[in-house]
Amino acid sequence: GQQLNQSPQSMFIQEGEDVSMNCTSSSIFNTWLWYKQDPGEGPVLLIALYKAGELTSNGRLTAQFGITRKDSFLNISASIPSDVGIYFCASNTGNQFYFGTGTSLTVIP
Amino acid sequence: EPEVTQTPSHQVTQMGQEVILRCVPISNHLYFYWYRQILGQKVEFLVSFYNNEISEKSEIFDDQFSVERPDGSNFTLKIRSTKLEDSAMYFCASSWTSGNTIYFGEGSWLTVV
Repeated sequence: GQQLNQSPQSMFIQEGEDVSMNCTSSSIFNTWLWYKQDPGEGPVLLIALYKAGELTSNGRLTAQFGITRKDSFLNISASIPSDVGIYFCASNTGNQFYFGTGTSLTVIP
Repeated sequence: EPEVTQTPSHQVTQMGQEVILRCVPISNHLYFYWYRQILGQKVEFLVSFYNNEISEKSEIFDDQFSVERPDGSNFTLKIRSTKLEDSAMYFCASSWTSGNTIYFGEGSWLTVV
């Protein structure tokens, strides 16, 4: 299957700090999605990107669809304790979505 | 807000037993999916379903797995003879169109003993 390389694997930050994570692939994709997953729950969609170069915000979250269509980043500004969780990027070929390996975020109050 | 619902939330089964996981996708969605996530690992694609047939499946989705849409609302995943390595969280998802944003259910946690 397609490989989505997500980094960093984990982050430990102080409350109030900004966070940046990214996802890269050797393949070109038409969609980039960012999900957050809390323990024992399903992934919850944060941001969806459909066009190369697109920059979209959702509250304190901002994500961009890379111009090459092979990468995307997610930024979280002014982190708060409830941002804790695992963040996954996802993209698709046809009906099949592939997920990145996840970034585990810990916010220290 | 419409959501994907899954039952059961947790099931424990003996190795070799058949398991059926149930899902009710979002009502106006046309594409349905099953994913699984082994504890601590990433979410993996199993199968997509459209127009009453499988449209894509991964190498994980072998002959032990099957999917069905028995009526207008339910979408099921059957594992015929469970193995220990089938223990995972199984997520159902749905989308309005192919390649569009997919929405996940809360998951069914399957433990095979």
